[in-house]
Amino acid sequence: DSGVTQTPKHLITATGQRVTLRCSPRSGDLSVYWYQQSLDQGLQFLIQYYNGEERAKGNILERFSAQQFPDLHSELNLSSLELGDSALYFCASSPRPATSFYEQYFGPGTRLTVT
Amino acid sequence: DQQVKQNSPSLSVQEGRISILNCDYTNSMFDYFLWYKKYPAEGPTFLISISSIKDKNEDGRFTVFLNKSAKHLSLHIVPSQPGDSAVYFCAASAFGNQFYFGTGTSLTVIP
Repeated sequence: DSGVTQTPKHLITATGQRVTLRCSPRSGDLSVYWYQQSLDQGLQFLIQYYNGEERAKGNILERFSAQQFPDLHSELNLSSLELGDSALYFCASSPRPATSFYEQYFGPGTRLTVT
Repeated sequence: DQQVKQNSPSLSVQEGRISILNCDYTNSMFDYFLWYKKYPAEGPTFLISISSIKDKNEDGRFTVFLNKSAKHLSLHIVPSQPGDSAVYFCAASAFGNQFYFGTGTSLTVIP
């Protein structure tokens, strides 16, 4: 158990809908990262927050947004969902703002299926 | 554009033998590399790392080798055990920026 929790575990929704994925980082970790893993793809970095502020942005679509709240939990909002958004979405946390020389701890993921 | 590549989607090894997982990268600015292990229905877990100032890092049965001139790293598991059966991801970052992950290699250790 990494100490990172993600809810829900599974989510099935229809195209055009909007969903919210939630992540609680390890106790004391200030950085939260979101990743997308599609079929046969590696983990694609989406976005990072550090202590409530956006720190880095990766391949995140404009239809997706995220935020980190004062209690450090984070939410990833996916809107106008398309079939291609079906994927595993992972959240990871780390104590530091930068990734240098420090690993990230991953949650179990949320499996999103868009039908 | 995939900056970190794992060209072998799967690997099968007999228990007790060596497992060698390979990873290639294209960005010469990468200065930190990690290997993660992932079991089904779980998130990736950190396994071992290496910085670009080293060419080898060892942790028990796991050794990571880095060949900067070839932009190649490898993970050696000796001896392999059935519990090592999992998907292994390599990842790389430059100057503390985002991590780039490979697509993973599924290792099966046959008892």
